[in-house]
Amino acid sequence: GGIITQTPKFLIGQEGQKLTLKCQQNFNHDTMYWYRQDSGKGLRLIYYSITENDLQKGDLSEGYDASREKKSSFSLTVTSAQKNEMAVFLCASSIDLGGWEQYFGPGTRLTVL
Amino acid sequence: GDSVTQTEGLVTLTEGLPVMLNCTYQTIYSNPFLFWYVHYLNESPRLLLKSSTDNKRTEHQGFHATLHKSSSSFHLQKSSAQLSDSALYYCALSDTGYQNFYFGKGTSLTVIP
Repeated sequence: GGIITQTPKFLIGQEGQKLTLKCQQNFNHDTMYWYRQDSGKGLRLIYYSITENDLQKGDLSEGYDASREKKSSFSLTVTSAQKNEMAVFLCASSIDLGGWEQYFGPGTRLTVL
Repeated sequence: GDSVTQTEGLVTLTEGLPVMLNCTYQTIYSNPFLFWYVHYLNESPRLLLKSSTDNKRTEHQGFHATLHKSSSSFHLQKSSAQLSDSALYYCALSDTGYQNFYFGKGTSLTVIP
């Protein structure tokens, strides 16, 4: 078995601030993902990475940057937080793309004041 | 482009009644993978069912679904709802060669006594 950890669990920021969320996995999975979860909108893919130093944009990548410097870690940066923004960001990993099961972390809850 | 449409919003059922959550999809690829993920409150989303085989019933934890490529559907069913089935359910679509992964908007199922 393995585990995905996300830090921080709660993140409070100010409008315009750059905020970074971190994700670590010990599954030794090649592929990692960042999703945003909003009520009524489901899970939307922001970025994914199929290997170390690879980055692929999802449908919601505008306003975000990502970094995969190691196989085990995947960071997401909100480049400029939007006022009154609230969302949960979920990190996931899988052996590969396609039909493989994704394992999710516990999430980071973002609130922008 | 590819997309997933599922029973949206809130579904409330009385314990003991059957569960049916609809999922239909659109894809240009002939070999899609379809998934159902379940997200219980205060837990991480996790895989419930997956299938890529046409007309074959897949079962897990009392739930079942059958991929029907002719109607592009992968509906989630259970014969008798339990209180512990209350959760958010996501239908998702992927393909081995497809460089993206789509979740539906989610269905919040609440089972009442």
